[in-house]
Amino acid sequence: EAQVTQNPRYLITVTGKKLTVTCSQNMNHEYMSWYRQDPGLGLRQIYYSMNVEVTDKGDVPEGYKVSRKEKRNFPLILESPSPNQTSLYFCASRPLLGPGHGYTFGSGTRLTVV
Amino acid sequence: AQTVTQSQPEMSVQEAETVTLSCTYDTSESDYYLFWYKQPPSRQMILVIRQEAYKQQNATENRFSVNFQKAAKSFSLKISDSQLGDAAMYFCAYRSARSRDDKIIFGKGTRLHILP
Repeated sequence: EAQVTQNPRYLITVTGKKLTVTCSQNMNHEYMSWYRQDPGLGLRQIYYSMNVEVTDKGDVPEGYKVSRKEKRNFPLILESPSPNQTSLYFCASRPLLGPGHGYTFGSGTRLTVV
Repeated sequence: AQTVTQSQPEMSVQEAETVTLSCTYDTSESDYYLFWYKQPPSRQMILVIRQEAYKQQNATENRFSVNFQKAAKSFSLKISDSQLGDAAMYFCAYRSARSRDDKIIFGKGTRLHILP
C-alpha cells in the first residue's frame, strides 16, 4: 500500500530532551515536507526537500532540523524541544512529475513538550 | 503573498443532502493548483479533489465536485448525497506551480457536521 509512515503517533517529552520524528514513504516521491498544525494558525510548513541531500527552510524552521540522506526518509529532529513546539506534526510527500499532484500526508504525530 | 480564505468555520447538512463549502484565494500567479483536503477525527489529511488552474473543466471525484471560478478566485466544494463518514474538517489549499518552496497554503478549515 502506497503510504507515508510517521512514528511515533504520540509523544510526550520534557523540555530540552532531543527527539526525532521519523517519516518514510514507499512511493519513490522526490518532494517531502514537514508541517505543523496548531489551533487558530492552521498548517504551516517547517522544512521541505526536493530530493536527496536537498533541503530548505519553510515558514517556521526555528528549533527544527531535517535530513534527507535517502529518498524515502525525511526525519524531523528537535535538538532541544520547548513547550511552544507542542503541536500536531505531519510529514507529506509528492512526486516531481505529474499534473498537480497533491501531497500524500502521514497520519500525524501529536507531540507534547512539558 | 498568496492567501486562502474559508469563510464558514462550521456547517451542518442533513444526511443524503447536498452541501457546498466555500473557498476564495488570492494570488497574482496564473499557474497553480487547488486542493480540498479532508481531516476526520483520526487526524489523517486525505486529499479529496484537485484542480489545475489551466483547466477550465471542473474536477469531479464521485460525490465530490468543485466549482472553479478562476477570474473570481473562487474554489468551492460540493458534496452530494452526504454520508455520516463525510463528517470532518475540510481544508481548501493552494500550491503555486512555480514556487521553489513547494509550499501548500491552507485555509483555516470548515468543520462539517452530518445530521442523521
